Amino acid sequence: EVQVVESGGGLVQPGRSLTLSCVTSGFTFDEYTMHWVRQFPGKVPEWVSGINWSSEVALYADSVKGRFTVSRDNAQNSLYLQMNSLREDDTALYYCVKGDYDYSLEVWGQGTTVIVSS
Amino acid sequence: DVVMTQSPLSLPVTLGQPASISCRSSQDLVYTDGNTYLHWYLQRPGQSPRRLIYKVSRRDSGVPDRFSGSGSGTNFTLHISRVEAADVGVYYCMQGIHWPRYSFGQGTKLEIE
Repeated sequence: EVQVVESGGGLVQPGRSLTLSCVTSGFTFDEYTMHWVRQFPGKVPEWVSGINWSSEVALYADSVKGRFTVSRDNAQNSLYLQMNSLREDDTALYYCVKGDYDYSLEVWGQGTTVIVSS
Repeated sequence: DVVMTQSPLSLPVTLGQPASISCRSSQDLVYTDGNTYLHWYLQRPGQSPRRLIYKVSRRDSGVPDRFSGSGSGTNFTLHISRVEAADVGVYYCMQGIHWPRYSFGQGTKLEIE
């Protein structure tokens, strides 16, 4: 069974940093693109970042470009999101999501909550 | 950017009755490889989204055959033949041709009336 489990969320002050982690199992991690998607309460999911299997391609939504950095460790089957210069409008539930070969977001974790507030 | 528009946004349905949700894209979702990358998700209350249908009409493993997808180009529909209580939640369509800058429809909230 494919599993993705996020961690690292919490309460952080504006301007500070936070790193999210995602541990996966049940599939060959280094064969798939991985993504971070966030969802504001009661809103539509928003794609945040994606990284291909080899880490050669990492892309970001305009809203986080220059502040967030995605990375992966294929040996540890893990995905990360380094979030710097956090703003109150980054407050959301952040999902780690397995990509697939059909250009979709195939399997979602349960999410980790990030609250940016003073 | 590809804009996805769903209708209706609210869908009250009687148990056992059929339901359908429309999704329209601002651009043709046929990719250069000939495939159409339009997918459907269900987010039940308090849960993360789960993919139901991929590439317009292919059901994911474990998805009841009450669910089906159809459409082409810029117009797509999710059909539920007989609504059950477990179908309550928000349904999203999502385009995949602008990988990885995926975008979702506004969501359709299905509830039992």
